[in-house]
Amino acid sequence: KAGVTQTPRYLIKTRGQQVTLSCSPISGHRSVSWYQQTPGQGLQFLFEYFSETQRNKGNFPGRFSGRQFSNSRSEMNVSTLELGDSALYLCASSFGSGGDNEQFFGPGTRLTVL
Amino acid sequence: TQLLEQSPQFLSIQEGENLTVYCNSSSVFSSLQWYRQEPGEGPVLLVTVVTGGEVKKLKRLTFQFGDARKDSSLHITAAQPGDTGLYLCAGFPYSSYKLIFGSGTRLLVRP
Repeated sequence: KAGVTQTPRYLIKTRGQQVTLSCSPISGHRSVSWYQQTPGQGLQFLFEYFSETQRNKGNFPGRFSGRQFSNSRSEMNVSTLELGDSALYLCASSFGSGGDNEQFFGPGTRLTVL
Repeated sequence: TQLLEQSPQFLSIQEGENLTVYCNSSSVFSSLQWYRQEPGEGPVLLVTVVTGGEVKKLKRLTFQFGDARKDSSLHITAAQPGDTGLYLCAGFPYSSYKLIFGSGTRLLVRP
């Protein structure tokens, strides 16, 4: 079956703009998690959605938000972009929520903020 | 504060050598996972260790979970160039649904 897909793969924005990233999970998976990966901070958890509800949230400012649709597809939005938001944004899907569920990662969206 | 510390950060070895990567924490984890990430791709799960003291083998890779569930190691025997990549440990601290990642170990195996 198809893996996790993320669009777009690459994005260039300027400071102050906003951006929306999209993630389509593996068919049948109801949980989608988002992560930010940077050389300095590594992989950091942003938030998790399960059945359209945000289950968990990492330590990121309110400029980072997300949502999940009834078909489990998820979007992540970052408003008022800052240079430090440049990163690889990864989403991962799993059948359920929590540690017993293997997460499958997409290829990521590389965001560059100029 | 990095909850999961990985060492070494970088490792460059010759094909055929053995290596060990460590993942340490002062916190107890319900499980620990190891991922490998290649350029332009997302991390791929290699293994999950759940029981303290558990040892799992995946071909030339051996994973161990510490007895106290605070640390784990990944040992690669006779490394090959195809093993090159970023190795990440990750875990769910007890009573948390947030997956925490280590800082990663970048491995280069030279032919």
